Amino acid sequence: QVQLVQSGAEVKKSGASVKVSCEASGYTFTSYGISWVRQAPGQGLEWMGWSSTYNGNTDYAQKFQGRITMTTDTSTSTAYMELRSLGSDDTAVYYCARDLGIYKDWGQGTLVTVSS
Amino acid sequence: DIVVTQSPDSLAVSLGERATINCKSSQSLLYSSNNKNYLAWYQQKPGQSPKVLIYWASTRESGVPDRFSGSGSGTDFTLTISSLQAEDVAVYYCQQYYSTPLTFGGGTKVEIK
Repeated sequence: QVQLVQSGAEVKKSGASVKVSCEASGYTFTSYGISWVRQAPGQGLEWMGWSSTYNGNTDYAQKFQGRITMTTDTSTSTAYMELRSLGSDDTAVYYCARDLGIYKDWGQGTLVTVSS
Repeated sequence: DIVVTQSPDSLAVSLGERATINCKSSQSLLYSSNNKNYLAWYQQKPGQSPKVLIYWASTRESGVPDRFSGSGSGTDFTLTISSLQAEDVAVYYCQQYYSTPLTFGGGTKVEIK
C-alpha cells in the first residue's frame, strides 16, 4: 500500500530554516509528483507547492517564492521541503501528499514550531 | 488565484439527519475539453491527515460510505451527508485543482446536535 512517512517534529528559532522529508513507498516514486500543504494551528489547509519526481520541476505558491525549495531524491524515494527565514506565522503542521491532482495519499504531518 | 469559499463555517446536525456543505469558486472549475469539474472534498478528523471523499465534484473515493455525495458544476458545489453518523464529526474542506495555486475552502466543522 502507498505510504508517505515524514520526518519528526522540529523546533526552530525565528530566521532559521527547516527541511522536512517525506519518504514514499508502495508505488513507483517517479510516476507522481509530491505536493506540500501546511496547516497552522486551528486553521485551514494551505497549498505550498509541487515538485516533479520525474524531472525536478517545481511550482511554488507565490507566497513562498524566494524562501522555499522542494527537491526529490529518486535513489531513496524521498521528497524534501526546505523553508527559510522562518517566522512565527510559519508554525504549522506540514504535510506531503502524492499528487494525482487530488490528494489520495498523505504523510502523517510534521509539526514545525517557530519560536522567537 | 481561484478563491474557494465554503459555507457555513460550522453546523450541528442530529444523528441520522442530513448535513449540507456548500462551496463556491471565483471562477468555473469545469474544463470544457473533458467536461469534468476539478473540485474535491476532504474530511479531516482531529489529529489526522485529510482524507479525500469526493473528486471530480461527484466521484466517491473507493471505500467512502455512500451517505457522502457531491454535486454541482461550474462554480457552485455541494457535499451532502445523507444520514449523519457519529464518526462523521470532522472538518470538511473543498479544494479546486483546476489551476495552481491549488486552493482550499476555509473548512466546515460538522458536529452532532
